[in-house]
Amino acid sequence: GAVVSQHPSWVICKSGTSVKIECRSLDFQATTMFWYRQFPKQSLMLMATSNEGSKATYEQGVEKDKFLINHASLTLSTLTVTSAHPEDSSFYICSVNRGLTQYFGPGTRLTVL
Amino acid sequence: GIQVEQSPPDLILQEGANSTLRCNFSDSVNNLQWFHQNPWGQLINLFYIPSGTKQNGRLSATTVATERYSLLYISSSQTTDSGVYFCAVGGGADGLTFGKGTHLIIQP
Repeated sequence: GAVVSQHPSWVICKSGTSVKIECRSLDFQATTMFWYRQFPKQSLMLMATSNEGSKATYEQGVEKDKFLINHASLTLSTLTVTSAHPEDSSFYICSVNRGLTQYFGPGTRLTVL
Repeated sequence: GIQVEQSPPDLILQEGANSTLRCNFSDSVNNLQWFHQNPWGQLINLFYIPSGTKQNGRLSATTVATERYSLLYISSSQTTDSGVYFCAVGGGADGLTFGKGTHLIIQP
């Protein structure tokens, strides 16, 4: 398998502030990482594909200027939610591909007041 | 894009019962995975099964790619099996498209 960590596990912030979420691949180098969002009692929705050394690819309807993704190394991708608003409150989960199987991090619960 | 439908949406069983969860998808896929999301939100990999049959303990899965469906079987259910089961599909190295999940409750 693959071991994926996320930091922080949960975060509470005020409306208008920015929040950075880290996703780390602990046991292998990942050229590609994925970011998903899950609202309460709903399914996971793919937000973007993070590519090491290049720009992220965003899914339709996801604002790239609001959700900044930086994949600076083969083990770290970051998602920054800029100018967060209450509607951005959600569970953010990252994943990595190892072979053709995706492995998921434990998620970050974001609450925007 | 590809559509993924899971059924049933909710399932309540007594401990020891068996269950079958279904996943239908609208197009051919290179990747199909089953996950169990625990109460803390962690997605646990159950099976990578784009075709064929696999078994792991009390769980087994079958995917009939030509008919675009997959089944997850849980035998002798335990309370720890409770949670949401997701089917997700993709095109290999792409991100996954998830179904809406089956919320399973196992009562003691």
